[in-house]
Amino acid sequence: GESVGLHLPTLSVQEGDNSIINCAYSNSASDYFIWYKQESGKGPQFIIDIRSNMDKRQGQRVTVLLNKTVKHLSLQIAATQPGDSAVYFCAENKGDDKIIFGKGTRLHILP
Amino acid sequence: DTAVSQTPKYLVTQMGNDKSIKCEQNLGHDTMYWYKQDSKKFLKIMFSYNNKELIINETVPNRFSPKSPDKAHLNLHINSLELGDSAVYFCASSQSGLAGPTQYFGPGTRLLVL
Repeated sequence: GESVGLHLPTLSVQEGDNSIINCAYSNSASDYFIWYKQESGKGPQFIIDIRSNMDKRQGQRVTVLLNKTVKHLSLQIAATQPGDSAVYFCAENKGDDKIIFGKGTRLHILP
Repeated sequence: DTAVSQTPKYLVTQMGNDKSIKCEQNLGHDTMYWYKQDSKKFLKIMFSYNNKELIINETVPNRFSPKSPDKAHLNLHINSLELGDSAVYFCASSQSGLAGPTQYFGPGTRLLVL
């Protein structure tokens, strides 16, 4: 069964505010986590990743936080823009080539 | 300079037909995948090939048969199409041995079985 899940299926955020998308995973053997963004009509696109030996990793306007104690992963998007509207997936990997995707969270940007 | 490309983008066909979807990547990756995404956006891996060798074969009906003529191509043939096969099929590729198996996805093939 799936070991990666999301707390919220949809999230609505005011333009300019920060967005936080959460994800829970159940497999403690997972050591690599990825966030993907899927825009309408397109394939998933890599945003940022993090290894289990890290708690935090920052990219351009995005930050991923990993809490291994509670098996929780989050994606923070700063100053959310209309172009951030998409479905966001967290995914986990246990060291092989297989990536397990979570169910996805749809992010709506309010004007 | 598309990294991962799929053809066709749309495929509408009758139940019982046989169809193929093609995928090509120009990233020089050695691993390719097929995923199925249902109407609820759930992404599930179907197959994975590494250097033309099948390494992941999830519980997929035998009607689905992947073929990898070389490491840059992974095609998916589907026999006796059923209504439940309607979905978006994504091809992806990655390079093994790197820090993490970050996968690059194609644009998807939207299959509708009538």
